[in-house]
Amino acid sequence: SYVLTQPPSVSVAPGKTARITCGGNNIGIKSVHWYQQRPGQAPVVVVYHDSDRPSGIPERFSGSNSGNTATLTISRVEAGDEADYYCQVWNRNDDVVFGGGTRLTVL
Amino acid sequence: EVQLVESGGGLVQPGGSLRLSCAASGFTFSTYEMNWVRQAPGKGLEWISYISSSGTTIYYADSVKGRFTTSRDNAKNSLYLQMNSLRAEDTALYYCARDVGAYAPFDFWGQGSLVTVSS
Repeated sequence: SYVLTQPPSVSVAPGKTARITCGGNNIGIKSVHWYQQRPGQAPVVVVYHDSDRPSGIPERFSGSNSGNTATLTISRVEAGDEADYYCQVWNRNDDVVFGGGTRLTVL
Repeated sequence: EVQLVESGGGLVQPGGSLRLSCAASGFTFSTYEMNWVRQAPGKGLEWISYISSSGTTIYYADSVKGRFTTSRDNAKNSLYLQMNSLRAEDTALYYCARDVGAYAPFDFWGQGSLVTVSS
């Protein structure tokens, strides 16, 4: 089955840029969605279809997808961005895959 | 306001059964596809099932195929997950989540219902 690989953790200082990767075989031809999950809360989509942003999500959140890697970029990181982040794709129309998740720590 | 509220979780013995419900409000439930996603304690997200808006198409992850059954009642704005032959590894917080079409993200999630399988 299709596998999405994320780093378990990423650390960044406030005000800097965080990049969270999601690796998968030819992921560039798939549509990637990114979710933020704060402790004790349900996931919230922060980027969808590789690089679109839902209303209410700050412009600091952006995404890209090419080749074998999709990337979620968070600019000017704030303490409130500390959370777990998951990438997700529809592998086929009958199979959804999530990455293992990345814990973002704001130093 | 879109709301998804799961219920029906609890403690069940291995081999037992449980039925989860997800009550939807604030949108036209019958026009949306729905999913179940679970999260074991301290672990990541795992998709387990999809159901089309009409209920005629249903998919399952291999980990639950043959044991879990997803259904919906559009007249009652409700989604269901019948879980049979439960195992310890099914212990998780179960979320219902709405999706907005083919290859779309899950744009709204409930707060989850905790299922604990233990003797």
